Amino acid sequence: EIVLTQTPATLSLSPGESATLSCRASQSIRNWLAWYQQKPGQPPRLLIYDASKRATGIPARFSGSGSGTDFTLTISSLEPEDFTVYYCQQRDNWPPSITFGQGTRLEIK
Amino acid sequence: QVQLQQWGPGLLKPAETLSLTCAVYGGSLHGYFWDWIRLSPGKGLEWLGEMNQRGITAYPSALKSRVSISADESKNQIFLRLTSVTAADTAVYYCARGGQSGYRLDYWGQGNLVTVSS
Repeated sequence: EIVLTQTPATLSLSPGESATLSCRASQSIRNWLAWYQQKPGQPPRLLIYDASKRATGIPARFSGSGSGTDFTLTISSLEPEDFTVYYCQQRDNWPPSITFGQGTRLEIK
Repeated sequence: QVQLQQWGPGLLKPAETLSLTCAVYGGSLHGYFWDWIRLSPGKGLEWLGEMNQRGITAYPSALKSRVSISADESKNQIFLRLTSVTAADTAVYYCARGGQSGYRLDYWGQGNLVTVSS
C-alpha cells in the first residue's frame, strides 16, 4: 500500500503570505495526485488533480507541482478563507484503493 | 450541476449495521466511479470502498469483511452498509463521485455524522 506523508502537520502564516504544503509518496505515483481543501462542517473540495491541474472554479492562487514521489501545493497571497485543512490523495489500480495523507492544518499566525 | 444528497441514521448501538443512502441529482450513475469515505478525529480521511462503472466493488482490506457498496440505477442512488459497528466507526461519512477513472473525487455529499454508542 502506498503511504502519503504530508508536512508540516501545522503551518502558521499570515494573510497575504504564501504557503507551501508538501506530500511525499512511499513509492512513485507518477503525477496521479490530487489535493483537497476541507473547511469545518463541509465535505472536502477538489483543488488540484494530476498534480498540477486546477479543478473547475479553483482560484489561480492555488497551484500544484511535482511528480514521482514529491509533490507541493502552493497557495500564493493567502486569503482569510484559505486557513483550514488540506489533504493529498492518490489511487492505486491493483488492487484498487485510495489513500489520503494525514492532512496539513493551515492556521493564522 | 451534479449534487449528491445523503441520509441515514445518526446514532447506532455497538454491533448494529450502518446503512447510508446517497442520491445523485443532475447526473447519472452510469459511466462513473462512486466512493464512500469517512472522516474521524483520530484517523483523518479514510477510504471505505468504491463501485466502478461495471458495478464491480473494491474495499480496503481492513474493512473488507464488514463493508459493502451497492447501487440502484433506477433511483440514481448508491448505498453503504457497514456491519458490526463499534465506537471506532464513529465518524462523518461521505459519498463522492470518483470521476471516470476512479481517481479524482470531484463531487461530494454533504456528510452524515454517525455516532456509535451504547
